[in-house]
Amino acid sequence: DVKVTQSSRYLVKRTGEKVFLECVQDMDHENMFWYRQDPGLGLRLIYFSYDVKMKEKGDIPEGYSVSREKKERFSLILESASTNQTSMYLCASTTDRGKSTGELFFGEGSRLTVL
Amino acid sequence: SQKIEQNSEALNIQEGKTATLTCNYTNYSPAYLQWYRQDPGRGPVFLLLIRENEKEKRKERLKVTFDTTLKQSLFHITASQPADSATYLCALDISTGTASKLTFGTGTRLQVTL
Repeated sequence: DVKVTQSSRYLVKRTGEKVFLECVQDMDHENMFWYRQDPGLGLRLIYFSYDVKMKEKGDIPEGYSVSREKKERFSLILESASTNQTSMYLCASTTDRGKSTGELFFGEGSRLTVL
Repeated sequence: SQKIEQNSEALNIQEGKTATLTCNYTNYSPAYLQWYRQDPGRGPVFLLLIRENEKEKRKERLKVTFDTTLKQSLFHITASQPADSATYLCALDISTGTASKLTFGTGTRLQVTL
């Protein structure tokens, strides 16, 4: 079975802390994505990457950065967590470099609470 | 501005009936559209993809239509079951030039009762 694994299902952090959310896929996919999901706002794209060491900003990149050192791993970094970053974070991957013409495979999500 | 609209109100239907969910969009010309299912606390799961040159796509009890003139997709579940209760998301491909990305609607929650 194909799999996208997010390192933590639930995290509680304090304002100002640095937060790392890790995502690993075992499908040799080129493209990886980070979304956040909030009630009434749906899924919003934060960053995506279509190759190792490549990244592109999504719709809401402010306050976030990403790292893609290896093809299978895509990390989301909150340099200084704030309460408005409390959310469900979803990682996804798909094949076809530079395109998302195929289905997205999502992880189970990481629910982050910033106090 | 670009917009994807799904009915934010929950859709309640009786078991055995056909559920129809709507996805409308403005200011896009997507090459294709996808539908996902999401259960509470879980990540979305892909259901169907339909391309701009396809009018209809079927998979078991699911049917999707895509009208690029109306800028609308309809998602049907026939002979609905309580296990179909979930939130259903539509997503559109948006090309950025160097890469394309999926933009999601806010989803419609379906509740199927006995």
